[in-house]
Amino acid sequence: GAVVSQHPSRVICKSGTSVKIECRSLDFQATTMFWYRQFPKKSLMLMATSNEGSKATYEQGVEKDKFLINHASLTLSTLTVTSAHPEDSSFYICSAIVGTVSEKLFFGSGTQLSVL
Amino acid sequence: AQTVTQSQPEMSVQEAETVTLSCTYDTSENNYYLFWYKQPPSRQMILVIRQEAYKQQNATENRFSVNFQKAAKSFSLKISDSQLGDTAMYFCAFARNDMRFGAGTRLTVKP
Repeated sequence: GAVVSQHPSRVICKSGTSVKIECRSLDFQATTMFWYRQFPKKSLMLMATSNEGSKATYEQGVEKDKFLINHASLTLSTLTVTSAHPEDSSFYICSAIVGTVSEKLFFGSGTQLSVL
Repeated sequence: AQTVTQSQPEMSVQEAETVTLSCTYDTSENNYYLFWYKQPPSRQMILVIRQEAYKQQNATENRFSVNFQKAAKSFSLKISDSQLGDTAMYFCAFARNDMRFGAGTRLTVKP
């Protein structure tokens, strides 16, 4: 099946630094990628939708200047958490689709971000 | 906006028994897709089952089946012959242009 690789799996950083998370579709071209955030024992909250070559669409309440999303190619999307603070600590998951979301999403394995 | 509601935060079942997880959703759309995902402790999202809204027949995947009631906007998951490996978080999801998840149900299968 299709594979989505997400790196790093875990990152610890100091408050005020920026962290980049990569999401790659290894064996298919992803027209759309989604970024989710998951708090402990909670649901996945959609943060933004990114389409290759265009600006990401952010969900209401998500700061686009805090969470920079770039989808420069059909196989790579990145999420940069800028000037991270402890409240940004969370589990971030990317997912990718080919065509429409009617088929299924292929999920990355997630990134646990801890901001000290 | 579409919302997905899972009213059972936690459930438990004895091994080999059957358990049903509930899910309701709200939408004004007629064409959409519904999913159940499993998230084990590894936190990798695993697709359990998928249902197209335009299909009246309930989807089935081995021990997993759904009861899809479109008019009632209900989409429950039945797990038969529960196994210890079924212990996980289960998320119901609604998809049209994107995918949105319910709050999840933590299922524990007891030996």
